[in-house]
Amino acid sequence: DTGVSQDPRHKITKRGQNVTFRCDPISEHNRLYWYRQTLGQGPEFLTYFQNEAQLEKSRLLSDRFSAERPKGSFSTLEIQRTEQGDSAMYLCASSSGLRGTDTQYFGPGTRLTVL
Amino acid sequence: GNSVTQMEGPVTLSEEAFLTINCTYTATGYPSLFWYVQYPGEGLQLLLKATKADDKGSNKGFEATYRKETTSFHLEKGSVQVSDSAVYFCALSDGEAAGNKLTFGGGTRVLVKP
Repeated sequence: DTGVSQDPRHKITKRGQNVTFRCDPISEHNRLYWYRQTLGQGPEFLTYFQNEAQLEKSRLLSDRFSAERPKGSFSTLEIQRTEQGDSAMYLCASSSGLRGTDTQYFGPGTRLTVL
Repeated sequence: GNSVTQMEGPVTLSEEAFLTINCTYTATGYPSLFWYVQYPGEGLQLLLKATKADDKGSNKGFEATYRKETTSFHLEKGSVQVSDSAVYFCALSDGEAAGNKLTFGGGTRVLVKP
């Protein structure tokens, strides 16, 4: 069990560019979550998947954001036409999804800086 | 909607001092409650959890009791070490039917001085 991994760890981009982040959950974890954390704040929920199905998206997730989880394994989060307000730490977490087991395990995050 | 409120930091303590971080929540139903810790340069780690009223979660000398009557989940440690310097987040889970999404408080930075 290698834990949740995220790539890249840091991304610097110019406003208007597209970026894509990847998350690899703990193997056999059915649920995968994305959160966003801005400086000095707690993480905020963005979206989550049960296997390959995206079950919920937060109002925080504008149309410029899209997430996928093909084949129910890794997930990608894409931000199109980035804005300075998108600068944040993007966190991925996974859980087993088994009934009665709600603990989420977090990856190290991808820090996005939009210039 | 759900919300979590925790005391603002930073909290500065001397080694071996007693630590308390207050956390209160608002939620429908019976959420599970968590404390996560974020050490400098690292990701969020689960510190402890409690799933029902009067449960006590404990780990690494930290404890928190799920108090439904006061909607609180205060974190305590009797004798802190320099290595406990970190940011602590209180969180609740919105339940199985809603996907167990986490709602976090704003975090409390703790600095322990030798």
